[in-house]
Amino acid sequence: QVQLVESGGGLVKPGGSLRLSCTVSGFTFSDYYMAWIRQAPGKGLEYISFISYSSSFTNYAHSVRGRFTITRDNTNNSLYLQMDSLRAEDTAVYFCARVPSQAARMSVPTFCDRWGQGTLVTVSS
Amino acid sequence: QSALTQPASVSGSPGQSITISCLGTIGDIGSYKFVAWYQVHPGEAPNLIIYDVDHRPSGVSDRFSGSKSGNTASLTISGLQPDDEADYYCSSYTSRTTLLFGTGTRVTVL
Repeated sequence: QVQLVESGGGLVKPGGSLRLSCTVSGFTFSDYYMAWIRQAPGKGLEYISFISYSSSFTNYAHSVRGRFTITRDNTNNSLYLQMDSLRAEDTAVYFCARVPSQAARMSVPTFCDRWGQGTLVTVSS
Repeated sequence: QSALTQPASVSGSPGQSITISCLGTIGDIGSYKFVAWYQVHPGEAPNLIIYDVDHRPSGVSDRFSGSKSGNTASLTISGLQPDDEADYYCSSYTSRTTLLFGTGTRVTVL
């Protein structure tokens, strides 16, 4: 069955870096755009970033542009999020999500049809 | 606008119907048919239940239905069941080329 499993979360100091991974199974990874979405404690969901099948197109929310980098490795069925210059407000559960082709017609995903359970990132001194 | 506006909580008895609203603007819900709804049980992965305003993914119960009028989208859950108790989030594509989520609604089955 379709599975998305995030890893790499943890506690990091402000200004530090962290790299999240998302390993998928149960579908052909290279057939899908992928996205990262986060949820701060007690808050709603926030779109973060989006990447095309071949990595030729990426998009970032204004709040993380210039600090976060989304990449993928289709050979290893993996999605990554490199997070640099982390701030306290980046504290959140980070979800990776699958974007079907019909949801990838705009410059951001219009919906995500399968999600992982998330990994917690805490930015604190 | 940083988020679409949803009621914080909605409740209903088993078997009843409830409706959750999602208020946006002319720049998002009012202009595009790209509204989606997600069900989130605590500690679990979000589950897509409605996309493109009123489309249901395969495997999602037909007790869930979506609609849109003007700048407001709505999710109706009919025949409320105990397992429907969860958080629900709407989302919409926006003219600022981003994806905006709602503030979230906690559904309680009495």
